[in-house]
Amino acid sequence: KQEVTQIPAALSVPEGENLVLNCSFTDSAIYNLQWFRQDPGKGLTSLLLIQSSQREQTSGRLNASLDKSSGRSTLYIAASQPGDSATYLCAVHKAAGNKLTFGGGTRVLVKP
Amino acid sequence: DTAVSQTPKYLVTQMGNDKSIKCEQNLGHDTMYWYKQDSKKFLKIMFSYNNKELIINETVPNRFSPKSPDKAHLNLHINSLELGDSAVYFCASSRTQGRANVLTFGAGSRLTVL
Repeated sequence: KQEVTQIPAALSVPEGENLVLNCSFTDSAIYNLQWFRQDPGKGLTSLLLIQSSQREQTSGRLNASLDKSSGRSTLYIAASQPGDSATYLCAVHKAAGNKLTFGGGTRVLVKP
Repeated sequence: DTAVSQTPKYLVTQMGNDKSIKCEQNLGHDTMYWYKQDSKKFLKIMFSYNNKELIINETVPNRFSPKSPDKAHLNLHINSLELGDSAVYFCASSRTQGRANVLTFGAGSRLTVL
C-alpha cells in the first residue's frame, strides 16, 4: 500500500527566504508525482507534475525534483513571498490504477 | 469559465439525514473523482468514474453512492449521515492521456453533520 509523507507539517519563514518542502513515498512504482497548492477554503491548484522518467520540473520560482528509487521528491520555492503562504500537497499516481495518493501537506507561512 | 464546479459549498445537516453534493465539469475531461479531506487535512480518494463507468471504489460505506449521468457530471449521495461524515468533499476531473493525469479540482463542499 502506497504511503506518502510530507515533512515538515508546518513551516514559517521570513519573506525572501527559499522554501524546501519534502515528500517521501513508500512504493517506487509510480507513473508521476504532482505538487499541489491549497489555499484556505479553496480547491487544489496543480503546480508541477513530474513524470517517473524525469528528474525535475521547473515553473518560475518553483522547482521540483524526483528521486524515484529512493522514494523522494523536493519542492523548492525561491525567494518566498507572502502570497506563497498556503498548504502544499504532494501526490503520487500509481503505476496501476487511476488514483492519486496524497501526503498530509506542509502548511507554509511566509511572513512579510 | 472552464472549471470544476460543485454545489453546495457548505452543507449543515442533522445525523440520519440524506444529502447530495453535485459536481459538474466543462473541461471535456473523461474521468471524474470524489475525494474526502478529513479534519487532519488528509485527502483520500473515494470514487473515480471514467466515461460514466465506475473504475475506483475505495473502502467507503455503502451509504455513499456516486452517480454519473454523463461524462460531465458526478454526483455524490449520502444516506443516513453520521458525525464522522463531516469533512470537505472535493470533486476533480482529468483527461486520461497516457501516463500524464493532471487533475483539476473543484473548490470543495464542506459538510457538517450535527
